[in-house]
Amino acid sequence: DGGITQSPKYLFRKEGQNVTLSCEQNLNHDAMYWYRQDPGQGLRLIYYSQIVNDFQKGDIAEGYSVSREKKESFPLTVTSAQKNPTAFYLCASGGGATNEKLFFGSGTQLSVL
Amino acid sequence: RKEVEQDPGPFNVPEGATVAFNCTYSNSASQSFFWYRQDCRKEPKLLMSVYSSGNEDGRFTAQLNRASQYISLLIRDSKLSDSATYLCVVNSHTGGFKTIFGAGTRLFVKA
Repeated sequence: DGGITQSPKYLFRKEGQNVTLSCEQNLNHDAMYWYRQDPGQGLRLIYYSQIVNDFQKGDIAEGYSVSREKKESFPLTVTSAQKNPTAFYLCASGGGATNEKLFFGSGTQLSVL
Repeated sequence: RKEVEQDPGPFNVPEGATVAFNCTYSNSASQSFFWYRQDCRKEPKLLMSVYSSGNEDGRFTAQLNRASQYISLLIRDSKLSDSATYLCVVNSHTGGFKTIFGAGTRLFVKA
């Protein structure tokens, strides 16, 4: 069954802790994205990757890091430098002729203890 | 001014009503446009692309006006299951690939 899998569904972070959100896709898409969604707001781009071993900062990259060692995987680390990490995090991959149609994982809700 | 702006909502309509969502974008170089649907606490899902000639998918009609930098989504004969948030999405390729999401308009369809 093709799709994007995010894990965990819920995650709790302690002060000063780094946490990593997993995102795996088997759609054979080159492009992958991480978005953050706060209540009542639109999605904001954190990082994106158009190809393996390459990624670019989005609009709100500070306090986050990513890697793209495999086409299928694009993990996001929320570092201790991110002072307001509580949000709904969505991973997406890009399909269609120009990778513009986004297919999302089911999201990870991150909260601070 | 936000790059993509949508009606703030929420919209409360009875079953069977016709409802229209509007979206404006600021970058005249934007090249592709989409509507996504997002249910509460779930991921957005692609509803339909928006083409200059307008396009229809069952009860849903999307239109694009490039001159006015305006996109619309019309839902006819609303169903209870249409209750969700509708997100307008605009892509541009100038200065690098960029996808901008609107904040979304919440729709409640009542029996």
